[in-house]
Amino acid sequence: GQQVMQIPQYQHVQEGEDFTTYCNSSTTLSNIQWYKQRPGGHPVFLIQLVKSGEVKKQKRLTFQFGEAKKNSSLHITATQTTDVGTYFCAGRELGSGAGSYQLTFGKGTKLSVIP
Amino acid sequence: SQTIHQWPATLVQPVGSPLSLECTVEGTSNPNLYWYRQAAGRGLQLLFYSVGIGQISSEVPQNLSASRPQDRQFILSSKKLLLSDSGFYLCAWSVIPGETQYFGPGTRLLVL
Repeated sequence: GQQVMQIPQYQHVQEGEDFTTYCNSSTTLSNIQWYKQRPGGHPVFLIQLVKSGEVKKQKRLTFQFGEAKKNSSLHITATQTTDVGTYFCAGRELGSGAGSYQLTFGKGTKLSVIP
Repeated sequence: SQTIHQWPATLVQPVGSPLSLECTVEGTSNPNLYWYRQAAGRGLQLLFYSVGIGQISSEVPQNLSASRPQDRQFILSSKKLLLSDSGFYLCAWSVIPGETQYFGPGTRLLVL
């Protein structure tokens, strides 16, 4: 079945440094989504990318969808303590089978920001 | 606006006891509903999803079952809990299958 790999598993950065997490799917995706889960909280939707090569920005966050629609990245510029949490990517498999009814989540990247 | 509720927020249960977790969605009709489990420090494991009343798809064979008695109600159950059932249980809904999912606050279950 479809697998979504996310690296790194953990990342510790000094406040003000940049941070990037990468997401790779074993199959072509119809879309990729990113979620953030604060410590003790539940995942919250950040953004969805649909088009090949798409790039979207939300303030200091930049999201990119690969040309082949099998990988994605999230880049945070000048991290702040409010960025602490686990970032998950989730992809929907391209096609009309049962797999298209669900999202496959990566295992997440846990970001720690040292003040 | 749409809201999703889960209860209870936390639960401590002995091994072998039954389980019933409830999830309800307000402000939308015909939602796609999902149950996930998240072990401590781990990713999200999809347990069940439902595209309509009485329609349940199971992703992982296990000790749990799900039911959808009403359009906006999703229930996760077990007849006999195992230690390995401990975790953070999250309910989510989406308008379109495989599209943006909105998560509830979750239930933290500890089986002793």
